[in-house]
Amino acid sequence: AQKVTQAQTEISVVEKEDVTLDCVYETRDTTYYLFWYKQPPSGELVFLIRRNSFDEQNEISGRYSWNFQKSTSSFNFTITASQVVDSAVYFCALSEGSGGGADGLTFGKGTHLIIQP
Amino acid sequence: GAVVSQHPSRVICKSGTSVKIECRSLDFQATTMFWYRQFPKKSLMLMATSNEGSKATYEQGVEKDKFLINHASLTLSTLTVTSAHPEDSSFYICSGMSLHTNSYEQYFGPGTRLTVT
Repeated sequence: AQKVTQAQTEISVVEKEDVTLDCVYETRDTTYYLFWYKQPPSGELVFLIRRNSFDEQNEISGRYSWNFQKSTSSFNFTITASQVVDSAVYFCALSEGSGGGADGLTFGKGTHLIIQP
Repeated sequence: GAVVSQHPSRVICKSGTSVKIECRSLDFQATTMFWYRQFPKKSLMLMATSNEGSKATYEQGVEKDKFLINHASLTLSTLTVTSAHPEDSSFYICSGMSLHTNSYEQYFGPGTRLTVT
């Protein structure tokens, strides 16, 4: 069975600091998809990224970057030069199989990120 | 991205009554819809998966007679919490996905906060 672990329950940093959110996953499938979502206080999930198991290239999108390492089953998320607006709960999620998410997502418990001004 | 709406955004009901939550895909045809449940400061748990025109598939531990899911059209799925009790109070989030595209991305609704008194 699949499992996603986000060991950091809460992280608090001062604005402009870099911060990395950890995500470790477990799956028996060789084909799977990993996701990151942001959930601001309003509650609505904001899609950040989807990565399939065959693409280990790191990705950068503005201040966001993701480090996917199959050897350690990790898919970590880094925010550089953090801003107060980045404050939210961030979820890592996994979907097994080639459906790319067609079977529903297994979410980690989330990391509450607090950016202090 | 595609838009999914939920109605109502908040609902308070008395114990023993039933409440219906609607999930609509506004600008795409959602061949598959998912229902998730999120307790305060907790992760999202997949409750069920529904494909248009067929019965929903429930996750282990989710009572199908209590959480009735109907996916009658490609743009609407409903979740009815029957004979609600205070322990059913939660944040319910739906997502829609189209199998007609190659992305298999899930588009999440804004959620419905249910409080059972």
